[in-house]
Amino acid sequence: GQQVQQSPASLVLQEGENAELQCNFSTSLNSMQWFYQRPGGSLVSLFYNPSGTKQSGRLTSTTVIKERRSSLHISSSQTTDSGTYLCAMELNSGTYQRFGTGTKLQVVP
Amino acid sequence: NAGVIQTPRHKVTGKGQEATLWCEPISGHSAVFWYRQTIVQGLEFLTYFRNQAPIDDSGMPKERFSAQMPNQSHSTLKIQSTQPQDSAVYLCASSLGGNSDYTFGSGTRLLVI
Repeated sequence: GQQVQQSPASLVLQEGENAELQCNFSTSLNSMQWFYQRPGGSLVSLFYNPSGTKQSGRLTSTTVIKERRSSLHISSSQTTDSGTYLCAMELNSGTYQRFGTGTKLQVVP
Repeated sequence: NAGVIQTPRHKVTGKGQEATLWCEPISGHSAVFWYRQTIVQGLEFLTYFRNQAPIDDSGMPKERFSAQMPNQSHSTLKIQSTQPQDSAVYLCASSLGGNSDYTFGSGTRLLVI
C-alpha cells in the first residue's frame, strides 16, 4: 500500500486564504521533506524537517515523527503559490525517499 | 553552487533507439538518485548510488534500463530500445547521504515517438 498519504488531493483557494496540507506515513520514518513543483517545473525543496516546526516566510512545516505525520501551512495565499506540493519520507532503514502523490493547489484572485 | 545538473533538458527519440541521460550531482554529495515522473504514476524511484557504488536498483525495469556512476561527478541512465511508455521526466537528485535533504535537478523530458 501507499506509504505516504497526502491530503487533500487538490485544493482551490481564494487569494489571501490559508491552507493546511497534510502528510501521513504508514511506517516509521527517519526524516521527511516538503517539495514544491510548478507544472512542467522541477522539484524545489521547501523544508527538510525530520521533527518539530520550521518557518520560512508564509510557510510553516510541522512534523511529529512519533505520530508519523507532517503538515504544511500556507498563510495569506497568493496566486504564485499555485502548483503541486509533495512530501517525501525516508525510512528508518535509510535508502531512498518515497513520495506522496501530492496536493494540487490553485489560488485564484 | 550550480545545483544538480541534468542534460539534456529535452530529448526526442524514435521507438527502438537508445537514450542516455546525464546527471552531475552537487559537489561533495555522496548519494545520487534517479526517479521517473509521469502524470499517471507520479514519482517512481529507479535506482541510487552511494559513493559511486550501486546500492539499490529495485525500481529499475528489468530490461533495457541501466545506470552507472563512473566517477563522483556524474551518473548516467541509459535506456536501450526505447518504447513510447518510457516517455517521462527523468529526475536526478543528490544528497550528502544519511539523514540529509535531497536536491533535485531540473529533469530530462524524454519523448519516445
